[in-house]
Amino acid sequence: DAGVTQSPTHLIKTRGQQVTLRCSPKSGHDTVSWYQQALGQGPQFIFQYYEEEERQRGNFPDRFSGHQFPNYSSELNVNALLLGDSALYLCASSLSGQGQTTNEKLFFGSGTQLSVL
Amino acid sequence: AQSVSQHNHHVILSEAASLELGCNYSYGGTVNLFWYVQYPGQHLQLLLKYFSGDPLVKGIKGFEAEFIKSKFSFNLRKPSVQWSDTAEYFCAVTVYNQGGKLIFGQGTELSVKP
Repeated sequence: DAGVTQSPTHLIKTRGQQVTLRCSPKSGHDTVSWYQQALGQGPQFIFQYYEEEERQRGNFPDRFSGHQFPNYSSELNVNALLLGDSALYLCASSLSGQGQTTNEKLFFGSGTQLSVL
Repeated sequence: AQSVSQHNHHVILSEAASLELGCNYSYGGTVNLFWYVQYPGQHLQLLLKYFSGDPLVKGIKGFEAEFIKSKFSFNLRKPSVQWSDTAEYFCAVTVYNQGGKLIFGQGTELSVKP
């Protein structure tokens, strides 16, 4: 058990809709990162949240936004869905000071499979 | 921009065969290197990592990897694979002091025939 839980596990949306994905980090972790894994590709970094703020962002459009709550859980929001947003979305958690720059203690969830029709 | 390249998209081996998966990265500075494994239906798990020191690192399940700085490579090896090693393998890198963002390769699917 990875300790990182994501919901839902699967989701089907249509183009133009909006979606919210949720992540609960491993107990004791305070940093959450989101990745997009398209079919046949490696995960791509979307952004990272720490202390309820976006600390680092990858090369994704503003349609992708996020939030971190005081209990360290996080949401990923995608607006105006495109067919190309279909992918597995992974959440990873770590503890500040241990995993920030080394990712030695980074744990991944099983992901949310998003299909956009 | 930093990138990670994995040489093989799909590797098929018989049990007991030796495994080597190639990984090259493009960045001239200090990096941390990782190999992750994703078994069917499961989450990404860390196999092994290199931060500094001995360039030959050993991970779980008999895997090892060698960091060759001059070749910008971090190849994964296992002397004798088992059917249970069937999975997707990802090489990844973080750039030192750039916030811990993992840059992944495209992955190598390993199929081990019993």
